Amino acid sequence: DQQVKQNSPSLSVQEGRISILNCDYTNSMFDYFLWYKKYPAEGPTFLISISSIKDKNEDGRFTVFLNKSAKHLSLHIVPSQPGDSAVYFCAASHNAGGTSYGKLTFGQGTILTVHP
Amino acid sequence: EPEVTQTPSHQVTQMGQEVILRCVPISNHLYFYWYRQILGQKVEFLVSFYNNEISEKSEIFDDQFSVERPDGSNFTLKIRSTKLEDSAMYFCASRPELVGNTIYFGEGSWLTVV
Repeated sequence: DQQVKQNSPSLSVQEGRISILNCDYTNSMFDYFLWYKKYPAEGPTFLISISSIKDKNEDGRFTVFLNKSAKHLSLHIVPSQPGDSAVYFCAASHNAGGTSYGKLTFGQGTILTVHP
Repeated sequence: EPEVTQTPSHQVTQMGQEVILRCVPISNHLYFYWYRQILGQKVEFLVSFYNNEISEKSEIFDDQFSVERPDGSNFTLKIRSTKLEDSAMYFCASRPELVGNTIYFGEGSWLTVV
C-alpha cells in the first residue's frame, strides 16, 4: 500500500535551522491530512493538520503546506530544536462520512535529528 | 491533559494463545480505533468502533480479531489464536464525536508472539 509516501527515511538539521519534511500521496480522494510525531516506545502524537480546502496551516513553529495539484504536502519546523528529534509521520484520510473519520493511511515516517 | 491509556505495555505469548489488549479511551470520546505497527513497517488501520459496533475494518482484521467495549470505559482488542506475524505494536486511539479526523493515540502495547 503506497498511497502515502515519505521518500526520505531520515533528515538531519542543525538547531535553529528549518526542517522540511515531505510527503506525497496518490489517492485523489484524500481530503484531510495530518502530521504526527512519535518517540520510541510511545504512541504517535498529533502535531498539525490541514483540510484540502486550504493550502497552508500554521501552529507556532509548525506549518503544513498542501499542494493538491502535485499531491504533495510538507511540514516546516522553524526554528528546529533538539527536542524535535523524533519520527514524523504523514497521514491522510478520506471523509466519506462520519464513521470514516479517523481511518488514517500513514506514510512510513521520516526520522528527524536536530543537532545542538 | 487527558490521554488514552493502554495495558499491558508489553506481552509475550505463545503462538496459538489468545491475547486481550486493553485500552481506556479519553472519557468524552465516542469513536475508537485500533492500529498496529509491525517493526519497520507503517502504522496500519485495523478497525474503527462507534456506538457499540464496528464501523469499518481493514483486510488485516480477520476472524481471529475481535473488539469489544465491555463497560463504559474499556475498549479491548482480542486476538483469538495468535500467529508469529501478529507480533507488532498495537495502538488504541480515540476521537470526540464531530471533530474532524484528529485521533489521539495511546502509548501502545507491544505484542511478541513466540
